[in-house]
Amino acid sequence: EIVLTQSPTTMTASPGEKVTITCRASSSVSYMHWYQQKPGASPKPWIYETSKLASGVPDRFSGSGSGTSYSLTINNMEAEDAATYYCQQWNYPSWTFGGGTKLELK
Amino acid sequence: EVKLQQSGDELVRPGASVKMSCKASGYTFTDYAMHWVKQSPGQGLEWIGTIIPLIDTTSYNQKFKGKATLTADKSSNTAYMELSRLTSEDSAVYYCARSLGPFDYWGQGVMVTVSS
Repeated sequence: EIVLTQSPTTMTASPGEKVTITCRASSSVSYMHWYQQKPGASPKPWIYETSKLASGVPDRFSGSGSGTSYSLTINNMEAEDAATYYCQQWNYPSWTFGGGTKLELK
Repeated sequence: EVKLQQSGDELVRPGASVKMSCKASGYTFTDYAMHWVKQSPGQGLEWIGTIIPLIDTTSYNQKFKGKATLTADKSSNTAYMELSRLTSEDSAVYYCARSLGPFDYWGQGVMVTVSS
């Protein structure tokens, strides 16, 4: 089973700041999906197949990575971006989520 | 419009079982896999298992084998998850989500509270 480790676990960012969240896999994976979740709400697909933005996701978000290291980046943090972000991957026959990164507004 | 409508919140006694539903609409039910995900209070997301309604095939996270049973009714476009022998560790929100790849639509979640 592949383990996904996200860092940092929590972080704060000011409006306009650049934010990078990292997801490291215990073994090489082909791609990474990312989800955004706000309190009391269901997770939303955010970035899929490493770098493709889901519908409605602002283009200040981007995703990159390969092998065992993937990242989600926000250029110019906005208040609405405060949320918890989870990475996810599929390695037959299991899906795995990272532990989540809680991003707060400073 | 794609929608996954989950059943209502549950309060159940320790040792009991609970069966929840996820009714799909707005797409062809058998064209997608359906997943179930657990979120314990203040914690992250945990994949429980997957059912492929077209061929009634299931796969489970090893951790949930014997705890969760996934079924699907193609006639009503509804997926079900039954949790057995409930303990306080099973108190959580449970989501269904459909996918061909990433989980692109999620239900609103069912909060299960296990308490005597």
